[in-house]
Amino acid sequence: GNSVTQMEGPVTLSEEAFLTINCTYTATGYPSLFWYVQYPGEGLQLLLKATKADDKGSNKGFEATYRKETTSFHLEKGSVQVSDSAVYFCVYGSSYKLIFGSGTRLLVRP
Amino acid sequence: DTAVSQTPKYLVTQMGNDKSIKCEQNLGHDTMYWYKQDSKKFLKIMFSYNNKELIINETVPNRFSPKSPDKAHLNLHINSLELGDSAVYFCASSQGSGLAGADTQYFGPGTRLTVL
Repeated sequence: GNSVTQMEGPVTLSEEAFLTINCTYTATGYPSLFWYVQYPGEGLQLLLKATKADDKGSNKGFEATYRKETTSFHLEKGSVQVSDSAVYFCVYGSSYKLIFGSGTRLLVRP
Repeated sequence: DTAVSQTPKYLVTQMGNDKSIKCEQNLGHDTMYWYKQDSKKFLKIMFSYNNKELIINETVPNRFSPKSPDKAHLNLHINSLELGDSAVYFCASSQGSGLAGADTQYFGPGTRLTVL
């Protein structure tokens, strides 16, 4: 079936470091792909999305490119901040529902 | 103004009890969802409703019964609570029907249910 695999955390970085969180998916058809973020004690919110191959989603300095050939949607940020500490979910949009990866916890130290 | 709200935020109860969680969205969206997040942060959809009609029921036990009195509300009633029901339950909504899987979903703050 359809699924999403993302790198296990936690990922611990120093402030201003470069971030990559890997995500790959298995799917039939052409899904939409999302990154959702969950800050401590809060609900999830959309970080960025891409709805077709080669689209690049971006928001708040984060970027991810929909790569159909490698079935990937890796999340990157050039310089992380302490306020980016959160759990990041790679998500696949299928008929009527979202399928979530297991989440990657990011901890950014000052 | 809160877009998607849930009550209560915390719910602690004994095994065997019946409880409800309420969800309301003021975004004018057509579709609402319930998700369960376990202790390892894994999120899984339970139900979705589009214009008060059930669209998805992801093999959730019959003890869980969603009810949508109108488009803006989707409540979750749980009978005979079990220890394994302890989790954080999130409500969400989206503008479209969700058919294409491309709609952004807006999440509530979650309800942490603890069954003792």
